[in-house]
Amino acid sequence: GAVVSQHPSRVICKSGTSVKIECRSLDFQATTMFWYRQFPKQSLMLMATSNEGSKATYEQGVEKDKFLINHASLTLSTLTVTSAHPEDSSFYICSARDSGGAADTQYFGPGTRLTVL
Amino acid sequence: QKEVEQDPGPLSVPEGAIVSLNCTYSNSAFQYFMWYRQYSRKGPELLMYTYSSGNKEDGRFTAQVDKSSKYISLFIRDSQPSDSATYLCAIEGTGKLIFGQGTTLQVKP
Repeated sequence: GAVVSQHPSRVICKSGTSVKIECRSLDFQATTMFWYRQFPKQSLMLMATSNEGSKATYEQGVEKDKFLINHASLTLSTLTVTSAHPEDSSFYICSARDSGGAADTQYFGPGTRLTVL
Repeated sequence: QKEVEQDPGPLSVPEGAIVSLNCTYSNSAFQYFMWYRQYSRKGPELLMYTYSSGNKEDGRFTAQVDKSSKYISLFIRDSQPSDSATYLCAIEGTGKLIFGQGTTLQVKP
């Protein structure tokens, strides 16, 4: 149980285009999902907290107009990187908190590797 | 001072060795402690979760928390090459996970 999927697993795009990444909890409901970014050989950096049916809460320094987050259902959150630039190239990972489990247990997706040319 | 400190390594051990991974944290209000394993180019996988001082064992893995010293550890017994990965400690703080930098472990056959 507690499986989180992400799609796509890898995407390459041209500078200036927008990219949408989906995060799904497959076998549990998640009122809260989190989006992280990870640069090579570095730890995970929280970008935003996404609550179903409400606006996401962004961490300091993360541009909310650039990283659009939508959490329309209890099993799906999306991250759209708008007008992507090469410096946005990174590994994006989502996690979901199991609403029916311990309040602080997060399950992570497999990640999406974004390369902006 | 970072909220969670973790030596990035790398740490290289022979197969069968006991591995000790450690983190320190600064905020005594933190109550929940986790260890994640991350293979290259994959998402983190939850290994251990604990919320109290003391030891918690799961197979070859033992998580240890010392709240008085603000120190957490993960021990791996009889390490295997398949244990080669990056190990991240994580601490729950105000509804968010705060991660250590991660320690890269290599277990050589």
